[in-house]
Amino acid sequence: NAGVTQTPKFQVLKTGQSMTLQCAQDMNHEYMSWYRQDPGMGLRLIHYSVGAGITDQGEVPNGYNVSRSTTEDFPLRLLSAAPSQTSVYFCASSAEGNEQFFGPGTRLTVL
Amino acid sequence: DQQVKQNSPSLSVQEGRISILNCDYTNSMFDYFLWYKKYPAEGPTFLISISSIKDKNEDGRFTVFLNKSAKHLSLHIVPSQPGDSAVYFCAASPANNNDMRFGAGTRLTVKP
Repeated sequence: NAGVTQTPKFQVLKTGQSMTLQCAQDMNHEYMSWYRQDPGMGLRLIHYSVGAGITDQGEVPNGYNVSRSTTEDFPLRLLSAAPSQTSVYFCASSAEGNEQFFGPGTRLTVL
Repeated sequence: DQQVKQNSPSLSVQEGRISILNCDYTNSMFDYFLWYKKYPAEGPTFLISISSIKDKNEDGRFTVFLNKSAKHLSLHIVPSQPGDSAVYFCAASPANNNDMRFGAGTRLTVKP
């Protein structure tokens, strides 16, 4: 099992550009989430999904879109990148909605 | 509005001694509490959890205590080892819900 994989590992964007952060899991988990980690803030929930076709907003959803067309994949889209979205992004999955398995993270810089 | 708070950004202990990491929460709907450990450049990894029907859960050197009336939980590591040096995050969620909230983390350093 690869677990939770995220691509890319690093990304630099210019303000206004759009991009998609990819997340995939091979554990057949129903629950998947996206978090961002900023210094002194811990991890903050952006969006989450409790199954294919179902998504919901977390604490900090503005500026991000998600979709869940398959159980395995949960991409995070930045519509128009802003410097405030510079962060480390983590994707996670779980079978029961609680004990989550995290990916290695994507470090995003927006100039 | 931070619903899960870890008020100590860092903690340093001697190898072999006890490490106690603290966490407070404000949302009375939280029903499930977890601790995650994070090394640099890696994703967090699950360490131990406790549900609100218990006040203690033990797993080897790690014990989590929950005081619901005080809305407080703590993680005890005994004995502490240098490999335990990492950032520890407290997290909480309502039961059967993926809307999990994390604290800001405590950086633990265990000195040989």
